[in-house]
Amino acid sequence: ETGVTQTPRHLVMGMTNKKSLKCEQHLGHNAMYWYKQSAKKPLELMFVYNFKEQTENNSVPSRFSPECPNSSHLFLHLHTLQPEDSALYLCASSQDRGISGNTIYFGEGSWLTVV
Amino acid sequence: AQKVTQAQTEISVVEKEDVTLDCVYETRDTTYYLFWYKQPPSGELVFLIRRNSFDEQNEISGRYSWNFQKSTSSFNFTITASQVVDSAVYFCALRPIQGAQKLVFGQGTRLTINP
Repeated sequence: ETGVTQTPRHLVMGMTNKKSLKCEQHLGHNAMYWYKQSAKKPLELMFVYNFKEQTENNSVPSRFSPECPNSSHLFLHLHTLQPEDSALYLCASSQDRGISGNTIYFGEGSWLTVV
Repeated sequence: AQKVTQAQTEISVVEKEDVTLDCVYETRDTTYYLFWYKQPPSGELVFLIRRNSFDEQNEISGRYSWNFQKSTSSFNFTITASQVVDSAVYFCALRPIQGAQKLVFGQGTRLTINP
């Protein structure tokens, strides 16, 4: 059983829809991340949250809106997406404290198809 | 700037053969972590190993071994007596120990183990 769970695992949405991806980590970590993995492109960092505060936005379009209500939960709200946004969205977490615990653990991902 | 290069896009071997996946990195940080992750078809990124830049001792875990050579900026991964279940995409990654929490990934190597 993975320590980072994502729902839904698969999502098909139209370009005018509004949907959300959910992530929950059961590892007691203080940092959470969204990564995007497109076909034929390397894994891209989208957002980083530390103790619920957003600390990095990697020039992500505003049609992707993250939300972190607490250190264990992370959402990615999706609105008016484009077909090229179809990808695997991976949530991750880590315990960043000093120089220890910097391993980032990933969830199973949410496969998103925009039609 | 940081960069991770996995020159082997795809590797195909017959079961029980040994196989080495190459990883070369670039960084200006003096202290950093190196990682290997495995991504099966399901999509989850499974953490395999983390090495500190100040610890060049090689590591063995069952059929897996890692060779860290700081002089050549390489962190290669060897699977001994490969099995069909080893088939996956493998990613090498880098992040600084202090500072940015960004995990820089290589392009990945798709490994296929044929029975």
